[in-house]
Amino acid sequence: EAQVTQNPRYLITVTGKKLTVTCSQNMNHEYMSWYRQDPGLGLRQIYYSMNVEVTDKGDVPEGYKVSRKEKRNFPLILESPSPNQTSLYFCASRPEPGQGLSPLHFGNGTRLTVT
Amino acid sequence: AQSVTQLDSHVSVSEGTPVLLRCNYSSSYSPSLFWYVQHPNKGLQLLLKYTSAATLVKGINGFEAEFKKSETSFHLTKPSAHMSDAAEYFCVVTYTGGFKTIFGAGTRLFVKA
Repeated sequence: EAQVTQNPRYLITVTGKKLTVTCSQNMNHEYMSWYRQDPGLGLRQIYYSMNVEVTDKGDVPEGYKVSRKEKRNFPLILESPSPNQTSLYFCASRPEPGQGLSPLHFGNGTRLTVT
Repeated sequence: AQSVTQLDSHVSVSEGTPVLLRCNYSSSYSPSLFWYVQHPNKGLQLLLKYTSAATLVKGINGFEAEFKKSETSFHLTKPSAHMSDAAEYFCVVTYTGGFKTIFGAGTRLFVKA
């Protein structure tokens, strides 16, 4: 089954403890992206990747890192999480990096709480 | 700056009545426009997309949207609401180049029995 898989689904952590949220897609998509969803703000783009080893900042990249060493994986790294990063996170992918004609395929989300 | 505005944060309709969810985007040539739906505790599912082939776009579950360039709008409609339509709806725009995807703030649809 074609899908985007995020892990974990729920995560509670403490301020400053490094964490990684994994994202994997099995559709051979070139474009992958991370979003955070907060009430009243919709989804905001954190980082995106157009292909292996090609990443760029979205609208809210502060406090996050990403890497794209393989086409299928696009982990989101919080080196020193803070409470304002408590949010619902979504990973998404689509076949081609440009033009934006294809819709995004979303994972089921990761709900992160930082205390 | 490029932006997407969903004009209503909440919409409440009775079952069987029409649904209208409004979306305006900042003007640019060659936008790709999408509507996604998010049911509680679920990921986002594509409802429909506009990519310049036709201005009236039909989607899943009886939804459709009309692209109006002169009004920079892409409103979502459905003739008759069903209880299962209760969810949050997002209008999404990708501009030429397509590297950034811009989401509206969302409209929560309530359907009363």
